[in-house]
Amino acid sequence: DAGVTQSPTHLIKTRGQQVTLRCSPKSGHDTVSWYQQALGQGPQFIFQYYEEEERQRGNFPDRFSGHQFPNYSSELNVNALLLGDSALYLCASSLGLGQNTEAFFGQGTRLTVV
Amino acid sequence: EDKVVQSPLSLVVHEGDTVTLNCSYEVTNFRSLLWYKQEKKAPTFLFMLTSSGIEKKSGRLSSILDKKELFSILNITATQTGDSAVYLCAVGLYSGGGADGLTFGKGTHLIIQP
Repeated sequence: DAGVTQSPTHLIKTRGQQVTLRCSPKSGHDTVSWYQQALGQGPQFIFQYYEEEERQRGNFPDRFSGHQFPNYSSELNVNALLLGDSALYLCASSLGLGQNTEAFFGQGTRLTVV
Repeated sequence: EDKVVQSPLSLVVHEGDTVTLNCSYEVTNFRSLLWYKQEKKAPTFLFMLTSSGIEKKSGRLSSILDKKELFSILNITATQTGDSAVYLCAVGLYSGGGADGLTFGKGTHLIIQP
């Protein structure tokens, strides 16, 4: 049973560029959330997708956008990259919206902006 | 603003010791409290707590929630070097539409010395 998979594992981008990160949820899961984890900090909630719609958003600017596909996989897009966007980006999947079930995390994508 | 505070932020103990990690929260619309272990990248799920006073146990790990005093503790007995990790506490909230993004603390960095 495949867990949550994310790609790529590492990425280096230049300020001002755009980046797309990908996530496949755990088998049977239909809800995907994205988190940003800066060094030495806990993960910060970016947004959550369910039924291909953004259902909840954390305190992140519009430069952060996402998408969920019919197969439940998801993408996170970040435009006009800033140095401060350098972080580990984690995807988590769970079953159902508001079902209060535990979220399972992927290995993350380490994004470095130079 | 919703807040999750973990203490201590770092802890160094010897193998065989017992440790207690603390998590306090100030949030609106509390739904659940979750503990995760993060060794390298992917946080791995440990416990989800929704009711006060009911201890959850898994091997040498246990956790309990106090919804009146707004805190939880994670205990690890007979620690082993493999317990070295960052332990993350997260709170799930009720929100409009049922979405349930997590609010994390900064984590406790636990180091077990042989």
